Amino acid sequence: QVQLQESGPGLVKPSETLSLTCTVSGGSVSSGSYYWSWIRQPPGKGLEWIGYIYYSGSTNYNPSLKSRVTISVDTSKNQFSLKLSSVTAADTAVYYCAGDPPNGGMDVWGQGTSVTVSS
Amino acid sequence: SYELTQPLSVSVALGQTARITCGGNNIGSKNVHWYQQKPGQAPVLVIYRDSNRPSGIPERFSGSNSGNTATLTISRAQAGDEADYYCQVWDSSTFYVFGTGTKVTVL
Repeated sequence: QVQLQESGPGLVKPSETLSLTCTVSGGSVSSGSYYWSWIRQPPGKGLEWIGYIYYSGSTNYNPSLKSRVTISVDTSKNQFSLKLSSVTAADTAVYYCAGDPPNGGMDVWGQGTSVTVSS
Repeated sequence: SYELTQPLSVSVALGQTARITCGGNNIGSKNVHWYQQKPGQAPVLVIYRDSNRPSGIPERFSGSNSGNTATLTISRAQAGDEADYYCQVWDSSTFYVFGTGTKVTVL
């Protein structure tokens, strides 16, 4: 059974780059079985999809965040990562990594990691 | 951009049926997935591709999708069903889109 675990700093300064990693266990990030996504949830608000990467390296991003987002995969470490540049307080949220099979729903999620943007 | 609209809240009496709607332009032509999220927890997939249940999800959860509205139905509601529920689709212009979310209260 595939499991996901997010890791990264819990506090980021304004204008800096937020960097998070999702470690995949019980499966391979390069298997082609899943699209690997990042989703965030600001305090008290709903879910917002940030972007995904497929094992081939192809990516798609939320148009509203596209200019600041990079998602990459490291097959040697069985991880995929998120970089969000020029952060502001509006980027404060719980960040989740998740996986969904082609044409399926996101059936595997990490536990989430809280990131606060503050000086 | 594609948008999905859900009611802010739905209340249901214990043992009765709750229906949560998800509105979007011609959503009936898309695959709709539904997630349950309890406080402090990650979302859990409860319905995928309109009406399919992942293993471990009770038969009390069902889904339908037609026209401009998709619906998640919770039959014989239990206290443990209290949660936020989100619909989600894939759209060619905005890729993955989540609905605005519905808080379900079991009375």
